[in-house]
Amino acid sequence: NAGVTQTPKFQVLKTGQSMTLQCAQDMNHNSMYWYRQDPGMGLRLIYYSASEGTTDKGEVPNGYNVSRLNKREFSLRLESAAPSQTSVYFCASSGPSRGLAVYNEQFFGPGTRLTVL
Amino acid sequence: QQQVKQSPQSLIVQKGGISIINCAYENTAFDYFPWYQQFPGKGPALLIAIRPDVSEKKEGRFTISFNKSAKQFSLHIMDSQPGDSATYFCAASRTTDSWGKLQFGAGTQVVVTP
Repeated sequence: NAGVTQTPKFQVLKTGQSMTLQCAQDMNHNSMYWYRQDPGMGLRLIYYSASEGTTDKGEVPNGYNVSRLNKREFSLRLESAAPSQTSVYFCASSGPSRGLAVYNEQFFGPGTRLTVL
Repeated sequence: QQQVKQSPQSLIVQKGGISIINCAYENTAFDYFPWYQQFPGKGPALLIAIRPDVSEKKEGRFTISFNKSAKQFSLHIMDSQPGDSATYFCAASRTTDSWGKLQFGAGTQVVVTP
């Protein structure tokens, strides 16, 4: 199993350009998430999808849109990129508890490093 | 408003020493407290987690201490090794949230010197 995969790994955009970050998971998880990671800010939730067909805003949704294409795939779109969106973006997924010891474990992809000039 | 506050931002420890990272939370509805470990260039991965019905959980050299009345929990890394050099995030969630949303702390960069 590949777990959570993200494409691309790196991307450089100019201000105003658009792009879509792709994420897929093969663990049959219901929930998927998009985070951004910035120095000193930790992981901040952009959007999440509790289940196929639903999406909700997280802490920092402005400037982003998402699509839960099916149970496996959850994409993040930047319609008009800004330098403030320079960050590392992580996709994660989670499924039902695997037992008493672990609840709500989130599995993360390898990240996309995005630079907006 | 950060619901989980983590300190210190960074720490340097010698090989064999103890690393201690502290977190505090506000929401008393939180009932699941995991720690994630992230190596450079990788995504975070679950390291260890605790429920508030116990005050301590140990897995190998990693121990979580939990103080429910103070709304604080901490990660202790005993006999720290250079391979433990990573960024550590504490987090909190409510297990009643079936979608598993986590509130993360800001992270602590740990450097273990040889």
